[in-house]
Amino acid sequence: DGGITQSPKYLFRKEGQNVTLSCEQNLNHDAMYWYRQDPGQGLRLIYYSQIVNDFQKGDIAEGYSVSREKKESFPLTVTSAQKNPTAFYLCASSIGLSGGNEQFFGPGTRLTVL
Amino acid sequence: GQQVMQIPQYQHVQEGEDFTTYCNSSTTLSNIQWYKQRPGGHPVFLIQLVKSGEVKKQKRLTFQFGEAKKNSSLHITATQTTDVGTYFCGGSGGSYIPTFGRGTSLIVHP
Repeated sequence: DGGITQSPKYLFRKEGQNVTLSCEQNLNHDAMYWYRQDPGQGLRLIYYSQIVNDFQKGDIAEGYSVSREKKESFPLTVTSAQKNPTAFYLCASSIGLSGGNEQFFGPGTRLTVL
Repeated sequence: GQQVMQIPQYQHVQEGEDFTTYCNSSTTLSNIQWYKQRPGGHPVFLIQLVKSGEVKKQKRLTFQFGEAKKNSSLHITATQTTDVGTYFCGGSGGSYIPTFGRGTSLIVHP
């Protein structure tokens, strides 16, 4: 059963702690993305990766870091430098960037920083 | 940079009424995608438009891409309670990375 998974669904952390959100896909997609969703803000791009060992900053990369050591995995670390980390985080993947770049989204992780 | 504006932010309708959401880009787009996010869920791809003036239909949903490839619309005929959710457009330029609008939340009253 192919798809994209994120864990955990809900995550609570204390202010000042780094936290890593998991994203795994078995769709054999080259491109992967991280978005942040806040109420009334739509989807804002944090980072994206076109291929293993390569990634690019999106519109709101400050306070976040990523890695792409494997094709199927694209974890996101929310660092203590992120001033307002409480949000809904969505991971997505697509076959590639060009052409039919339909994005498949994971179920999301809702992060609350206390 | 590229900006995508989407209106309205919210739309309340009575079941059976029609609904339209509009998407406008500050730059010419290579393609535009539409997604639906149910309450508590994640965005799900609906369709992609590529050609100038393109019109595509999916049952009660009609998608249009403007002649100048800078605007798009999604029209739902005779809404049903199952149509409830937030509809996002995502426009891609030369980088093929979509810039998403803020979405239109559709509320259908039975």
